[in-house]
Amino acid sequence: LAKTTQPISMDSYEGQEVNITCSHNNIATNDYITWYQQFPSQGPRFIIQGYKTKVTNEVASLFIPADRKSSTLSLPRVSLSDTAVYYCLVGDGGSGTYKYIFGTGTRLKVLA
Amino acid sequence: ETGVTQTPRHLVMGMTNKKSLKCEQHLGHNAMYWYKQSAKKPLELMFVYNFKEQTENNSVPSRFSPECPNSSHLFLHLHTLQPEDSALYLCASSQERASGIYNEQFFGPGTRLTVL
Repeated sequence: LAKTTQPISMDSYEGQEVNITCSHNNIATNDYITWYQQFPSQGPRFIIQGYKTKVTNEVASLFIPADRKSSTLSLPRVSLSDTAVYYCLVGDGGSGTYKYIFGTGTRLKVLA
Repeated sequence: ETGVTQTPRHLVMGMTNKKSLKCEQHLGHNAMYWYKQSAKKPLELMFVYNFKEQTENNSVPSRFSPECPNSSHLFLHLHTLQPEDSALYLCASSQERASGIYNEQFFGPGTRLTVL
């Protein structure tokens, strides 16, 4: 099963760009990389998904190098409301049952 | 609002009680999931249903019993729980879950369960 490794926590200030890197050395050929955001006492919320190179939406950008063994979530100009836990998720397409493992996530704290 | 609702939002029960958690999705999805989130631990996938059929049970103790009467509703029946079962129980739904295809999962707000 593909396992992900992320920093446990990060601090940033309002208006800064935040980059959170996730390592997934065992990513399979068919796996996509997905990021979720979770606020306290709420369920996770989908942010962005990609397979390779770069993906951008209205919320974030996702950078994936050619070897796909890592990925970086980029949040431009963060605000206090971006304080949350961010999860990197890699699908396991190798076993056939397609399980998704949520790691411990990165707790981002945005300071004023 | 994600289109997935869960009731109750909070539940306190004794170890000898029987209770049920309910999840309802209004998104027309065919796959539904139960997750458990304990303090300081990653989300743990418990059960997966695809077109009302259970397709995954990740070694969940039998004191947790899921039920999926139709694609829009998912229940988690609880009986003789232990204090260590106290956690946030999250329900999610997505388009049909098929090997090799990932579909975004929409999560409900969760039920905060406390077992005394």
